[in-house]
Amino acid sequence: GNSVTQMEGPVTLSEEAFLTINCTYTATGYPSLFWYVQYPGEGLQLLLKATKADDKGSNKGFEATYRKETTSFHLEKGSVQVSDSAVYFCALVRAAGNKLTFGGGTRVLVKP
Amino acid sequence: DAGVIQSPRHEVTEMGQEVTLRCKPISGHNSLFWYRQTMMRGLELLIYFNNNVPIDDSGMPEDRFSAKMPNASFSTLKIQPSEPRDSAVYFCASSLQGSGEKLFFGSGTQLSVL
Repeated sequence: GNSVTQMEGPVTLSEEAFLTINCTYTATGYPSLFWYVQYPGEGLQLLLKATKADDKGSNKGFEATYRKETTSFHLEKGSVQVSDSAVYFCALVRAAGNKLTFGGGTRVLVKP
Repeated sequence: DAGVIQSPRHEVTEMGQEVTLRCKPISGHNSLFWYRQTMMRGLELLIYFNNNVPIDDSGMPEDRFSAKMPNASFSTLKIQPSEPRDSAVYFCASSLQGSGEKLFFGSGTQLSVL
């Protein structure tokens, strides 16, 4: 079956530091990959996505590249802000599917 | 657009009581999902509907849980009787089927069963 594995948090870092959150997946076929973000007290929001190998999704300074050879979709941001403190979820959906499979989430805390 | 609207925002009840959570999806969306979020299990898909029809309810924990979608603009998740282990945040999400699975989440219902 499909599964998504993320690094466990919490990840604590200082403002302007570099952030990486690892995500690997197992899936049949050619899934689409997503990063969702959950700010405190809110529901999840789509952050970025990639639909095929070597695609790079980007939004709000975050980037992630679909690496089929390593089945990975690591999230990166070069300089984080306090406002980036949130829980980040990696997710996939298989081609022609309608059901997202989420990873366990990684809590990120950015300190001033 | 008002987004996905869930009610109530918070619910505190006693063990054994019936709990009903409500969701209004984004107008025009034809897929609706119910998720449960806990520290222990993370985000779990309970059930989802396409065009008001339940497609996959394999995530519903047990018979105490039931979900309905009587029309395209309303869904309920009911727990009867509730138990303390049901305490969690319950999210509703909607999407346009075939849109690339971009989900729009509501703000959730924080349920506490005492």
